Amino acid sequence: DVKVTQSSRYLVKRTGEKVFLECVQDMDHENMFWYRQDPGLGLRLIYFSYDVKMKEKGDIPEGYSVSREKKERFSLILESASTNQTSMYLCASSFQWNEQFFGPGTRLTVL
Amino acid sequence: TQLLEQSPQFLSIQEGENLTVYCNSSSVFSSLQWYRQEPGEGPVLLVTVVTGGEVKKLKRLTFQFGDARKDSSLHITAAQPGDTGLYLCAGGDRGSTLGRLYFGRGTQLTVWP
Repeated sequence: DVKVTQSSRYLVKRTGEKVFLECVQDMDHENMFWYRQDPGLGLRLIYFSYDVKMKEKGDIPEGYSVSREKKERFSLILESASTNQTSMYLCASSFQWNEQFFGPGTRLTVL
Repeated sequence: TQLLEQSPQFLSIQEGENLTVYCNSSSVFSSLQWYRQEPGEGPVLLVTVVTGGEVKKLKRLTFQFGDARKDSSLHITAAQPGDTGLYLCAGGDRGSTLGRLYFGRGTQLTVWP
């Protein structure tokens, strides 16, 4: 059974903390994506990666960075968390332009 | 920039009713995908349409891709409570290996028993 897993389902952090969100896929997909999902705003792309060590900015990269050291793992980093980064974070992977497989999401609260 | 507009944003209906959700864009896409998301989970693909005018049926769900490949619709016949969820359309470019999709904001469907 294909799988995208995310390190945490729920996370509570304080303003100014450095936050790491991890995503792992077992499908040998080249592409991996990080989205945030907020009510009424849909899925917004933060960053994506099409190969190891390669990354592309999405629509809302400010305040975030990413790391892809291995093909199966894509990390999202909040260098200094702020309250406006409270959101649901979804990771996905795909092969070329095909179906994106999503993880269950991490609900991050920044106090 | 929101490339894909979905309507309606919310839909609340009784079991057994029919409904249609729309996904419109001013841009041409080479593929259009529909996903369903249930609370606390990530979206799951329902269907991909790639040819202008294409119609695909998945049990009680009918998906159509517009002739100009700028719009799509999802029709559900005899809705059931199990159809409740957030329906998302997403447009893609098959010519790109980068695999980026452009998502609409979604239609939240609630089907009451």
